[in-house]
Amino acid sequence: GAVVSQHPSWVICKSGTSVKIECRSLDFQATTMFWYRQFPKQSLMLMATSNEGSKATYEQGVEKDKFLINHASLTLSTLTVTSAHPEDSSFYICSAAQTSGGPHEQYFGPGTRLTVT
Amino acid sequence: GQSLEQPSEVTAVEGAIVQMNCTYQTSGFYGLSWYQQHDGGAPTFLSYNALDGLEETGRFSSFLSRSDSYGYLLLQELQMKDSASYFCVLHSGNTPLVFGKGTRLSVIA
Repeated sequence: GAVVSQHPSWVICKSGTSVKIECRSLDFQATTMFWYRQFPKQSLMLMATSNEGSKATYEQGVEKDKFLINHASLTLSTLTVTSAHPEDSSFYICSAAQTSGGPHEQYFGPGTRLTVT
Repeated sequence: GQSLEQPSEVTAVEGAIVQMNCTYQTSGFYGLSWYQQHDGGAPTFLSYNALDGLEETGRFSSFLSRSDSYGYLLLQELQMKDSASYFCVLHSGNTPLVFGKGTRLSVIA
């Protein structure tokens, strides 16, 4: 149980275009999902907390107009990178916590590798 | 603010025991967790400490001392597949607040 999927697993896009990444909890409901970014050989950086039915909470320094987050249902959150630039190339990972589990136990998706050319 | 410090790299021999340390600074503390991440993969949850002491799960154990703002992850009977990055994560409330920079463990024969 507690499986989180992401789609796509990798994407290459041209500079100036937008890319949407989906995060789904497959066998549980997640009222809260989290989006992270990870550069090569570096740690995960929390970008935003996505709450079902309400606006996302962004971490300091993360542009909310550039990284649009929508959490339309208890099993789906999307991250849209708008007007992507090469510096946005990174590994984007989502996670979700089961309502019944401890708040510390996050289940991570497999990640999406974004390359902007 | 919040911060965590972890050694960047550790090398250990197959079958041995390795300890990876984590020190932290925070104004509000709920707990410290540990995640494993293989290259190109997603982090997987290993262990969590909210109270002082040792938590054991199979070959993995995690220790916390809140008075010292210090924790460690202990891996016993090391296997080659344990080669990965290990992150300590500081929790405040329901959000994994801060990931440490991770310790890259290399297990050698």
